[in-house]
Amino acid sequence: DAMVIQNPRYQVTQFGKPVTLSCSQTLNHNVMYWYQQKSSQAPKLLFHYYDKDFNNEADTPDNFQSRRPNTSFCFLDIRSPGLGDAAMYLCATSRAFLEPQHFGDGTRLSIL
Amino acid sequence: GDSVTQMEGPVTLSEEAFLTINCTYTATGYPSLFWYVQYPGEGLQLLLKATKADDKGSNKGFEATYRKETTSFHLEKGSVQVSDSAVYFCALPLGANSKLTFGKGITLSVRP
Repeated sequence: DAMVIQNPRYQVTQFGKPVTLSCSQTLNHNVMYWYQQKSSQAPKLLFHYYDKDFNNEADTPDNFQSRRPNTSFCFLDIRSPGLGDAAMYLCATSRAFLEPQHFGDGTRLSIL
Repeated sequence: GDSVTQMEGPVTLSEEAFLTINCTYTATGYPSLFWYVQYPGEGLQLLLKATKADDKGSNKGFEATYRKETTSFHLEKGSVQVSDSAVYFCALPLGANSKLTFGKGITLSVRP
């Protein structure tokens, strides 16, 4: 089945230690998104790629970066995680901006 | 400004009860409307959608009708099951960049 896969499902890192979350898709979609979701809240968009074009949301901290080396893969890098960055991180894809988004199961990030 | 509003939760129902979850929006034009569902420990899944006025989206016994007169897209199900326990998000593309904007989400718990 075509899908969006996030690895790992659970990630623990230390305060200030860089961490990378990964996302891959077999849908061949043009757009890939990264969301942050905290407990009992709606997902908050961090940034997205349309093909290789990167778009950062205005309120996304500089601590968060992303890479998309090819159509299938997208990475979320957190350079110096703080306690407030503990959350579920969701990757999503869509064929185009107004098309429905397909989500992975997320990576739950814990900060020690 | 553009916005999406969901009714406050959580909602607890007995199995086979009737469900209504309200969603209203403020937007320019007639955007596509979506309901997403998030089961415990998983990412979001598209539940149903409607792309124009008076369209009815349906899936898994859930229905929602695009009402432009009342700018609403209420989710309904005639007989809920325990397996419907999840968080439900109303969403639509809003703003100059047509960013998918989610309501706050509502937690549904269905007891046997």
